[in-house]
Amino acid sequence: KAGVTQTPRYLIKTRGQQVTLSCSPISGHRSVSWYQQTPGQGLQFLFEYFSETQRNKGNFPGRFSGRQFSNSRSEMNVSTLELGDSALYLCASSIVPGQQETQYFGPGTRLLVL
Amino acid sequence: AQSVSQHNHHVILSEAASLELGCNYSYGGTVNLFWYVQYPGQHLQLLLKYFSGDPLVKGIKGFEAEFIKSKFSFNLRKPSVQWSDTAEYFCAVNTMNTGNQFYFGTGTSLTVIP
Repeated sequence: KAGVTQTPRYLIKTRGQQVTLSCSPISGHRSVSWYQQTPGQGLQFLFEYFSETQRNKGNFPGRFSGRQFSNSRSEMNVSTLELGDSALYLCASSIVPGQQETQYFGPGTRLLVL
Repeated sequence: AQSVSQHNHHVILSEAASLELGCNYSYGGTVNLFWYVQYPGQHLQLLLKYFSGDPLVKGIKGFEAEFIKSKFSFNLRKPSVQWSDTAEYFCAVNTMNTGNQFYFGTGTSLTVIP
């Protein structure tokens, strides 16, 4: 079974631009979560989607948004990019949301904002 | 807010040395605990998890972790490390009240010297 895939793997943008990242979960997984990983902050939760609905949202500004499609694929969007948005963005999927569900991570999209 | 602390930020060991990485969390209710590993250039992978039952859990590659509820700890151990264990290790927690939202520690970078 294929793992979580994320596209693109690398992105370079400039301040003020917007970016869209894509995540395809493991087949049969319907829950998708997004994380931002930076050297100083570690992994910080962005949001979680299930059945095309956002279930949880982390403490990030409204410039960060996401959505999920009927096939469980998810996208996240960052508008008006800032230098501090440079990070590795990770997507994780699980079968359903739940406290005892293991999350499986994709390779991430590395975003560099210049 | 829920928090996860990993006190060792960087650990350097020689091959065959024993390893113990600390993880403490702040939530006092029922928790689910995870250790993930990120090898250089690879994505996050699950090492082991604890949901309930025997507080000593065994994971892949000879790793184990012990849940000590009274100390709010979930320390990772390995009796004899190998060069291939060089990686970043993340402790994660989720709770009944947060559903699938994971809280991660900031990670411990382990370097094993041959």
